[in-house]
Amino acid sequence: EVQLVESGGGLVQPGGSLRLSCAASGFTFSSYAMSWVRQAPGKGLEWVSAISGSGGSTYYADSVKGRFTVSRDNSKNTLYLQMNSLRAEDTAVYSCAKTIPNRIINWGQGTLVTVSS
Amino acid sequence: NFMLTQPHSVSESPGKTVTISCTRSSGSIASNYVQWYQQRPGSSPTTVIYEDNQRPSGVPDRFSGSIDSSSNSASLSISGLKTEDEADYYCQSYDSSNVVFGGGTKLTVL
Repeated sequence: EVQLVESGGGLVQPGGSLRLSCAASGFTFSSYAMSWVRQAPGKGLEWVSAISGSGGSTYYADSVKGRFTVSRDNSKNTLYLQMNSLRAEDTAVYSCAKTIPNRIINWGQGTLVTVSS
Repeated sequence: NFMLTQPHSVSESPGKTVTISCTRSSGSIASNYVQWYQQRPGSSPTTVIYEDNQRPSGVPDRFSGSIDSSSNSASLSISGLKTEDEADYYCQSYDSSNVVFGGGTKLTVL
């Protein structure tokens, strides 16, 4: 059974940083691209970032480009999202997702990031 | 980058058929596959349609997807509506470097 468990969310001040982690199990982690998707409270889904199985290719939404960095450690079956220069509009539940070309096949439950002073 | 536009909400009675549209703002709807996700309150999304019209195993055949190049839109149809179908539905597509979600449609089955 595929399991994706996010951690690292919390309350952070505007301009601050946070690193999210996603522990994956139940599949061959290095064989799959992974994505981060966020959902602001009461709002819709927004794709944030994706990374190839090897980690050699990364992709970002314009809204986070230059501030967020996605990475992975295939030896630890873990996906990361480093978030810098956080803004109030980054407040959302961040979910990691197992991805095959351009679509999501499994979602984690998410971790809440709140950016507020 | 393109956008996917969905109606904010739709409602229909149990047993009826509802169709949710998803219109692509630029570029051809047929150039990249469209997926549809269902999200019930408090839960993560699940896929109900992938690659325009394919149903994952376990999704009932009451769910169907299609694309219409003339209107540059995709559609999700749900027939024989059940109260359990009440949820938010999101379309999703992509281009060379971006994944794009529609804004979501709240389906009410009343």
